[in-house]
Amino acid sequence: GNSVTQMEGPVTLSEEAFLTINCTYTATGYPSLFWYVQYPGEGLQLLLKATKADDKGSNKGFEATYRKETTSFHLEKGSVQVSDSAVYFCALSASKIIFGSGTRLSIRP
Amino acid sequence: DAGITQSPRHKVTETGTPVTLRCHQTENHRYMYWYRQDPGHGLRLIHYSYGVKDTDKGEVSDGYSVSRSKTEDFLLTLESATSSQTSVYFCAIRGTDDNRNEQFFGPGTRLTVL
Repeated sequence: GNSVTQMEGPVTLSEEAFLTINCTYTATGYPSLFWYVQYPGEGLQLLLKATKADDKGSNKGFEATYRKETTSFHLEKGSVQVSDSAVYFCALSASKIIFGSGTRLSIRP
Repeated sequence: DAGITQSPRHKVTETGTPVTLRCHQTENHRYMYWYRQDPGHGLRLIHYSYGVKDTDKGEVSDGYSVSRSKTEDFLLTLESATSSQTSVYFCAIRGTDDNRNEQFFGPGTRLTVL
């Protein structure tokens, strides 16, 4: 069946550091891939998406590229800020949406 | 803003009592979902609805029931709450057209069962 595996947290970085959160998936067919972000006390919000192989989703300085050959959709940001502290969820959508278990990110000033 | 509200936002109840959580949307979307979020488990689907009076089970449906008597409201009921149902509950709707593979989430309800 379809599944999503993402990097376990928590991840703690200093401000302006480079961020990578790994996400790999198992799916039949060609799912759409997503990163959602959850700020403290809030629901999940869509951060970025990619709908086909080699697509790059980007938003707020975050990027992720749909890599079919490695079945990956890693989230990256070149220079993180304290305001990026949140929980990040990788997800895929085929017949239904499947979420990874989430990665908590904390950024130190 | 996808126009999704949840009520109550916080609730504390005792084991064995019934609890109903409400999700309300203003976007007239067909698909609605209830998830629970627990540490180490991410989001797990409880039930979903694909139209008025049309519902189906998710992966963790035991102990929960749902109802959808009108498009805008999707109710989640715990008939007899247990401590294992202490969690944060999120409602979501599915997008349409270009956003049909995406889900949009409400702010969540934090439920504590003592």
